[in-house]
Amino acid sequence: SQKIEQNSEALNIQEGKTATLTCNYTNYSPAYLQWYRQDPGRGPVFLLLIRENEKEKRKERLKVTFDTTLKQSLFHITASQPADSATYLCALNYGQNFVFGPGTRLSVLP
Amino acid sequence: EAQVTQNPRYLITVTGKKLTVTCSQNMNHEYMSWYRQDPGLGLRQIYYSMNVEVTDKGDVPEGYKVSRKEKRNFPLILESPSPNQTSLYFCASSLSSRRSHVRLEAFFGQGTRLTVV
Repeated sequence: SQKIEQNSEALNIQEGKTATLTCNYTNYSPAYLQWYRQDPGRGPVFLLLIRENEKEKRKERLKVTFDTTLKQSLFHITASQPADSATYLCALNYGQNFVFGPGTRLSVLP
Repeated sequence: EAQVTQNPRYLITVTGKKLTVTCSQNMNHEYMSWYRQDPGLGLRQIYYSMNVEVTDKGDVPEGYKVSRKEKRNFPLILESPSPNQTSLYFCASSLSSRRSHVRLEAFFGQGTRLTVV
């Protein structure tokens, strides 16, 4: 069956460190993979999109990798700050539709 | 400003009383969808629409209806709400890649917190 998993439900890290979140999928062949940020009670907000032929994408302190052989994407936040605390969701293109992972709740401790 | 607008933000209703949650986008997006989000279950898709008059079921369509008479609006209808439909609902819209028709970034509304008693 098709499945998307994100490494852990919750991740705590110290301010200034790099946070690394994982998105693994099975039985999908997405052409694109996206990452979103969601704050409590609010709608997800798009962060980055990476195509299957791109190994890595960067935007300010964010970096995403996409390994179609491993069926995995890694999402990194460097020099993390308490303001980065939120839930992060990965999303795959599935046919002409989206499917979202369950999310990882990141807490950056001062 | 590009946005997706849902109304109402909060709604408490009683079992069986029909309700509609409206969703409107001003970006001329073809694709729109509805999700519900519950603790521990993540975002689950209810219905989606590729274009006007084209709608399809998502993962959890039971108890819901939608319509897409105009490009900008995609209302969610609960004909006879039940307590298990108590949830946080999100509407989203997106563009698609012109070449591959793959959905690109999604824009989400602010959410509607529905309680059915």
